[in-house]
Amino acid sequence: EAGVAQSPRYKIIEKRQSVAFWCNPISGHATLYWYQQILGQGPKLLIQFQNNGVVDDSQLPKDRFSAERLKGVDSTLKIQPAKLEDSAVYLCASSFADHAGYEQYFGPGTRLTVT
Amino acid sequence: QKEVEQNSGPLSVPEGAIASLNCTYSDRGSQSFFWYRQYSGKSPELIMSIYSNGDKEDGRFTAQLNKASQYVSLLIRDSQPSDSATYLCAVSNFNKFYFGSGTKLNVKP
Repeated sequence: EAGVAQSPRYKIIEKRQSVAFWCNPISGHATLYWYQQILGQGPKLLIQFQNNGVVDDSQLPKDRFSAERLKGVDSTLKIQPAKLEDSAVYLCASSFADHAGYEQYFGPGTRLTVT
Repeated sequence: QKEVEQNSGPLSVPEGAIASLNCTYSDRGSQSFFWYRQYSGKSPELIMSIYSNGDKEDGRFTAQLNKASQYVSLLIRDSQPSDSATYLCAVSNFNKFYFGSGTKLNVKP
């Protein structure tokens, strides 16, 4: 079974530029998560999708971050414009369950550096 | 108060010893509990999940859950240098999923 796929793996941009990340979850997984992980910290949930609907985006900085899940499968996370403090690893995870109580499996992440 | 608290470490143990990692959580409605291992520069990898009070064993790993004390732990027996990583505790109340900041474990040869 293929795991969670993410691209790109690394991205370097200047502040005020825009960037987009892509995630393809494990086949059949209903729930998809985007996390931001800053060095030395645990993953921080940005947004949770159940199928193609948003369940939780309370910690998503909506003035600059946006996300969508296409047809309940792939997802993209966009930052526009980027700030220096957005430098982090962006992790995508998926879960078979249609709620937040089951195991999540992570993709390899995208390391973003904003200069 | 954070939803999930972990000692950041580092926790240093000699090779072959038992490593004990601890985690406390604040939401009494929490129903599911997870331990993830994260190597430097890598993404979190699921090690164990536990849903009911008591112990759950999987190879060299044992997860222990005490809902009354709001406490979950991970024991690693016969620790190996390859176990050196950051261990993340995660807790869910079926609506929200919370991660701790992780405990860094160093296993010395």
